[in-house]
Amino acid sequence: NAGVMQNPRHLVRRRGQEARLRCSPMKGHSHVYWYRQLPEEGLKFMVYLQKENIIDESGMPKERFSAEFPKEGPSILRIQQVVRGDSAAYFCASSPRYSSYEQYFGPGTRLTVT
Amino acid sequence: DAKTTQPNSMESNEEEPVHLPCNHSTISGTDYIHWYRQLPSQGPEYVIHGLTSNVNNRMASLAIAEDRKSSTLILHRATLRDAAVYYCIPTQLETSGSRLTFGEGTQLTVNP
Repeated sequence: NAGVMQNPRHLVRRRGQEARLRCSPMKGHSHVYWYRQLPEEGLKFMVYLQKENIIDESGMPKERFSAEFPKEGPSILRIQQVVRGDSAAYFCASSPRYSSYEQYFGPGTRLTVT
Repeated sequence: DAKTTQPNSMESNEEEPVHLPCNHSTISGTDYIHWYRQLPSQGPEYVIHGLTSNVNNRMASLAIAEDRKSSTLILHRATLRDAAVYYCIPTQLETSGSRLTFGEGTQLTVNP
């Protein structure tokens, strides 16, 4: 029973490049959440998606960040024109329904912007 | 979301019980109390949740105060693998869905 998968696990980008982070939820889960953990800070909610829909993006920075969860394939968190302040661990979680007691987290993608 | 207060850090010895407290005095009547933990360099992991009654599972026990303004996560026999940051998270599932609001958490150190 595969858990939540994220790739790549580590990503290095130069300032101005684009970063694409992928998340495959657990089998049967159609709800995906993205969180960001800046160095020495706590985890912060970014966005909540269901298949083909963004449900809550209240935690997403207004510019350069976007997320999608297509009908087929993984969820993608896209960061355009990365800056050093985007360096962080990005975690994806999935759940089987809207009000699920339990979220399952992936191992994270550690983004380093040089 | 209800505000939570947890000790920044706690220390325990291996194979001894650990009681991790959490104050959530502004909790609403429909908030569930979730506990997650994050091991070093890993994603968070669900531990346990409850509403009013004390709860037990294979990982831990959750004791909830009668007025629900505080709760305590109990690890019955700490192991080195339990060294992690523990987060107490009140969540109103019906309105917030499964979105989690993480606080600072408690860094648990387990001594051999």
